[in-house]
Amino acid sequence: SQQGEEDPQALSIQEGENATMNCSYKTSINNLQWYRQNSGRGLVHLILIRSNEREKHSGRLRVTLDTSKKSSSLLITASRAADTASYFCATGDSGNTPLVFGKGTRLSVIA
Amino acid sequence: DTGVSQNPRHKITKRGQNVTFRCDPISEHNRLYWYRQTLGQGPEFLTYFQNEAQLEKSRLLSDRFSAERPKGSFSTLEIQRTEQGDSAMYLCASSFQLAAYYEQYFGPGTRLTVT
Repeated sequence: SQQGEEDPQALSIQEGENATMNCSYKTSINNLQWYRQNSGRGLVHLILIRSNEREKHSGRLRVTLDTSKKSSSLLITASRAADTASYFCATGDSGNTPLVFGKGTRLSVIA
Repeated sequence: DTGVSQNPRHKITKRGQNVTFRCDPISEHNRLYWYRQTLGQGPEFLTYFQNEAQLEKSRLLSDRFSAERPKGSFSTLEIQRTEQGDSAMYLCASSFQLAAYYEQYFGPGTRLTVT
């Protein structure tokens, strides 16, 4: 079974706009990660946030984590057509155990 | 290329046949994971290894599935007597176990179609 639920399931925006995706999970975690998957391909790691962190930035990405609400958000600023992909959150309950993925958000950025 | 590689990339087989997939992890990574992903879903964990030891198997991994990592380097995933429900993308990932917080590096996947 899957731990997380991403919201929305699908998102369509214009190039240049910001995209926000949310992830909720059920059990306590050690870390939460976001991955991107282009159609029919493997996953690419985007960012990891630890359970004792509240916010993290990487380039145009901003991730927040609220462990009291068991939720995280991924913000992509100034989106580009190349950002079109599915985005998954994944949780780990300790430093190095298998990840539990959500169902993903399909992002379409229209040029 | 020093990333995770998987072979074959695509496999079409008839129901009842056996198939074997291979994964070559990043060379210094001692943990190797197998996931399965069906259309519209996120990856689901199947099994993982630390070096050559298989540490955990998901209940998704029926008796028809077997995975090995004989020398702690590459791994194989075999499905015996394939069923149409086995059609999916099989993803392999690797990580470095001694890292306090780790990220998993994924291969491109093997897409299995059972006809």
